[in-house]
Amino acid sequence: QKEVEQDPGPLSVPEGAIVSLNCTYSDRGSQSFFWYRQYSGKSPELIMFIYSNGDKEDGRFTAQLNKASQYVSLLIRDSQPSDSATYLCAPRGGTSYGKLTFGQGTILTVHP
Amino acid sequence: DTAVSQTPKYLVTQMGNDKSIKCEQNLGHDTMYWYKQDSKKFLKIMFSYNNKELIINETVPNRFSPKSPDKAHLNLHINSLELGDSAVYFCASSQAQDPYNEQFFGPGTRLTVL
Repeated sequence: QKEVEQDPGPLSVPEGAIVSLNCTYSDRGSQSFFWYRQYSGKSPELIMFIYSNGDKEDGRFTAQLNKASQYVSLLIRDSQPSDSATYLCAPRGGTSYGKLTFGQGTILTVHP
Repeated sequence: DTAVSQTPKYLVTQMGNDKSIKCEQNLGHDTMYWYKQDSKKFLKIMFSYNNKELIINETVPNRFSPKSPDKAHLNLHINSLELGDSAVYFCASSQAQDPYNEQFFGPGTRLTVL
């Protein structure tokens, strides 16, 4: 089993749609979870992080964490063409204290 | 601008050559990292340094040798380059190595080995 699993997509949605990006992880000791966005040809940039069970909202983005199910998701509301990118989930902590372990990423395209 | 910077941005070289990539951060961070992103876009950590001390070494071939002259710099030297080394290499930094600190990434160095 991979440490972090994401559906690679690609996922294509119309502008304005609600998008849910999902991630499962294997290390039960993971303490925090980061969502990074990577535009084509660019470096990853942090969108959100979450470390408590439940939801965390920031504008159009909501991160959801369920540690019992080892599942974290990112919900994007009112998606925009500028949201088109690869979204990377990265648990941190647990047995790999200092490092981020990235999933394969989900490629998202939002078409006008 | 405060940031993580890398040089060069592009590197094209022949198999068997030795090359270096440099990274600098002026964010005052203690911890720096090297990641490799392969052609399938899978981003994987290679090394991490905390205050010039190596703390993570992810079973990378010993042709790869990181060097941290001070906590603001982390360089990557690669000996005897192979075709499989072609990838984008990202440097990153964070305030500390604990699980709650965001990592800031440099712009990447695209290495092509011919």
